[in-house]
Amino acid sequence: DIQLTQSPSSLSASVGDRVTITCQASQDIRNSLNWYQQKPGKAPKLLIYDASNLEAGVPSRFSGSGSGTDFTFTISSLQPEDIASYYCQQYGNLPPYTFGLGTKLEIK
Amino acid sequence: QVQLVESGGGVVQPGKSLRLSCAAAGFSFSECPMHWVRQAPGKGLEWVAVISYDGDVKYYADSVKGRFTVSRDNPKNTLFLQMNSLRGEDTAVYFCGRSHPRRKVGGLDYWGQGTLVTVAS
Repeated sequence: DIQLTQSPSSLSASVGDRVTITCQASQDIRNSLNWYQQKPGKAPKLLIYDASNLEAGVPSRFSGSGSGTDFTFTISSLQPEDIASYYCQQYGNLPPYTFGLGTKLEIK
Repeated sequence: QVQLVESGGGVVQPGKSLRLSCAAAGFSFSECPMHWVRQAPGKGLEWVAVISYDGDVKYYADSVKGRFTVSRDNPKNTLFLQMNSLRGEDTAVYFCGRSHPRRKVGGLDYWGQGTLVTVAS
């Protein structure tokens, strides 16, 4: 099975900061990676699909990059409403479609 | 507008069974692979199962293989998860989600609000 190493596990940043989260796959998954945002008590929301494509309706301050085994998720200018947990998920080959352990983002 | 609504959660004793349902609306259900994902209290997301658009192909996480069965009723726009031999570690919120019909299977573009399953004596 493909493992994902997501870091950091928690992050504190100020409004307006650039925030970066990384996700490393245990084997080549090409660009088969999504990024999700989850607020407490809510379902996850898809932000980025296929590593770098912005889902419709998602603000452009969110972006993703990478391919192969190394991926990056960026918030260009942190807003108060971005406080949430963020997860990467791979779908590189056959299931299981594993998730990273998540990053909890807080406002400093 | 895509809607996914789970139901069937509750408190169940270890070793017992439970069946979850996910009612879909607002899209062509029969064209989309569908998934179950769970989240234990205070923990991260765990992918559980996927079923192809026509129900012919199914895959499961090792943690539930042989105990859980995913199925679908396309004419009724409903996804199911039959959970047998439940254990304490199955306690979680269970989400259903869909894969976009024209994207790679595996990613989930819409999720339901989840239903809580608690396994306890």
